[in-house]
Amino acid sequence: KNQVEQSPQSLIILEGKNCTLQCNYTVSPFSNLRWYKQDTGRGPVSLTIMTFSENTKSNGRYTATLDADTKQSSLHITASQLSDSASYICVVLRSNDYKLSFGAGTTVTVRA
Amino acid sequence: GAVVSQHPSRVICKSGTSVKIECRSLDFQATTMFWYRQFPKQSLMLMATSNEGSKATYEQGVEKDKFLINHASLTLSTLTVTSAHPEDSSFYICSALPPRGWHSGNTIYFGEGSWLTVV
Repeated sequence: KNQVEQSPQSLIILEGKNCTLQCNYTVSPFSNLRWYKQDTGRGPVSLTIMTFSENTKSNGRYTATLDADTKQSSLHITASQLSDSASYICVVLRSNDYKLSFGAGTTVTVRA
Repeated sequence: GAVVSQHPSRVICKSGTSVKIECRSLDFQATTMFWYRQFPKQSLMLMATSNEGSKATYEQGVEKDKFLINHASLTLSTLTVTSAHPEDSSFYICSALPPRGWHSGNTIYFGEGSWLTVV
């Protein structure tokens, strides 16, 4: 069973609208959680990285939240743009062996 | 600009031949690099962890004799797909771990990926 579960698998939104992506994890012991944006055929690009003590972190129109008690994270995209169309991957780092666990990603399609 | 560079970005090779993919860390010395494989619409799958100056650690199910990894310097790791078969066609991505304290705060940087097509 994957230790990082993302939902929804995909979503389509209209340009200018907001959306929220979910990430639940069971990775332990926890070091940090990262959200990456991956355009088709490109390498992932880091959006945010959150440690145990951080609840919210923003990067432009992207806002990530973390609840380390419930092991849940979300990525909120505000006022979506066509360029936001991509796969968003949640990645959790384990602190004892520095191993990364990847979610399957959420594919976001923004339509005009 | 790119922090981690991969080359080539696309390569086509014939079945049975070998192909090498390079991963370079441009802005920092990376003692650890990672190699991933990604099939269409799927997430990244870790293939191996490459440590400078020592043998790579392969994930379960990854053939070490087929996917040769060399990390001869702190800025370069290579993945060689030997005796390539069409089922090896995939998107291969590397990532590099910067040293602690490097200004971007422990982010892992990914290369742009390499598309391999075996015909």
